[in-house]
Amino acid sequence: SQQGEEDPQALSIQEGENATMNCSYKTSINNLQWYRQNSGRGLVHLILIRSNEREKHSGRLRVTLDTSKKSSSLLITASRAADTASYFCATDRRGGKLSFGAGTTVTVRA
Amino acid sequence: DTGVSQDPRHKITKRGQNVTFRCDPISEHNRLYWYRQTLGQGPEFLTYFQNEAQLEKSRLLSDRFSAERPKGSFSTLEIQRTEQGDSAMYLCASSPGGGSTDTQYFGPGTRLTVL
Repeated sequence: SQQGEEDPQALSIQEGENATMNCSYKTSINNLQWYRQNSGRGLVHLILIRSNEREKHSGRLRVTLDTSKKSSSLLITASRAADTASYFCATDRRGGKLSFGAGTTVTVRA
Repeated sequence: DTGVSQDPRHKITKRGQNVTFRCDPISEHNRLYWYRQTLGQGPEFLTYFQNEAQLEKSRLLSDRFSAERPKGSFSTLEIQRTEQGDSAMYLCASSPGGGSTDTQYFGPGTRLTVL
C-alpha cells in the first residue's frame, strides 16, 4: 500500500516561478525522502529529511517536515525547464523499505 | 558509470512466457531493493536483500515471482508465466546498509510489456 499522498497531482508554472508540492502520510516514520523522475526514467534522489528535523535545504530545494501533521512540503525556487518531471515523496518506516505516493507532475513553461 | 544498472532496459514478451531481469547495484552496497511502478503511480515495494539474504517480500510478489542475490552482489528478478497485469516498470535500488539515513539509489528500470 502507498502511504504518501502528494498534492497537487499536477502543477504548471512559468519558468522562474516557485513550485510547491505537499506530501501527507499516515504512520510514524524514520525519515522522508523526495525523488524526481523524468518521463520513463529512473528516480533521482533529491533530499532526505530525518524525523527529528524540521527543515532542510539543498540548492534551490527546500523541504519541510511536520511530524505532528504527518506532512512534508517541497519547494523548488526559480524553476527551470529542466525541473519538468514527476516528484515523489517516500517515507521510510523501518528497514529502508520505502512507501511512495502517486507523485506530483510538474511542468515548467518557458 | 558507478551507478545502479539494470538489464534489459525494455522487454516485450507474450503472455505465459518467463522473463528474467538483472540488477547490478553500486559496488559495496549491502542492501538491494526491487520496486514495481505502473503508469501514473509511484513505485511499490516488492522485496529487498541484505547481502545475499532476502529479508522481506511484499504481498504483491506472487508465487510467480522470485528474486535472488546469490553472492550478495547482483540480483535477478524472474517472473514465470507472465500475465498482462505484470506490465510495468521494474526498478532496482541499492543502499549502503539499512540505516535510517540511508539514501536509496535507483537504476534506470526495466520496462516490461506483456502482450
